[in-house]
Amino acid sequence: DTGVSQDPRHKITKRGQNVTFRCDPISEHNRLYWYRQTLGQGPEFLTYFQNEAQLEKSRLLSDRFSAERPKGSFSTLEIQRTEQGDSAMYLCASSLSASNQPQHFGDGTRLSIL
Amino acid sequence: KQEVTQIPAALSVPEGENLVLNCSFTDSAIYNLQWFRQDPGKGLTSLLLIQSSQREQTSGRLNASLDKSSGRSTLYIAASQPGDSATYLCAVTWFTDYKLSFGAGTTVTVRA
Repeated sequence: DTGVSQDPRHKITKRGQNVTFRCDPISEHNRLYWYRQTLGQGPEFLTYFQNEAQLEKSRLLSDRFSAERPKGSFSTLEIQRTEQGDSAMYLCASSLSASNQPQHFGDGTRLSIL
Repeated sequence: KQEVTQIPAALSVPEGENLVLNCSFTDSAIYNLQWFRQDPGKGLTSLLLIQSSQREQTSGRLNASLDKSSGRSTLYIAASQPGDSATYLCAVTWFTDYKLSFGAGTTVTVRA
């Protein structure tokens, strides 16, 4: 069990650029979640996958955001035409699909928009 | 509206004192409640998960209680140490849902 891995750890980009983050969940976990956390706040849910199917998207996820999990393993989160308000920590979590299984989080990707 | 609240936002105690961290939630129809620890600039480490049918969970110096009727959970950390300094987050999964709804966290400082 190597834990949830996220890449990159930090991303600095200019406003208007596109960015893509990657998440590798714990290998046997078929549920994968993306959250966003701003300073001083708890994480907020963005989207959730069961295997390769994206089952729920938060209204926080504007049209500029897209997430994929093409083979039910790793996932990518892309933000197009980044804005200042996108600056945050983007966290990925995974879990088993059996009931009452804890979510395990990665160390996150910190995005800074200049 | 389903909300999770943690008060106070920050707490400072001398080493050796027991820590009591509070979490309240507005809807008692929870599926489970999870406590996390977050160190600065890091992700979340799962500490304890309490199922809706349980009253408490224990792991080492940590004990978490759950009172659904009053919409409260409490995390107790016995004999605090400087290494316990971190932000502690409470998160609820509501019934028929999968996502976690988080409180804003309590930042704990344990003074040596």
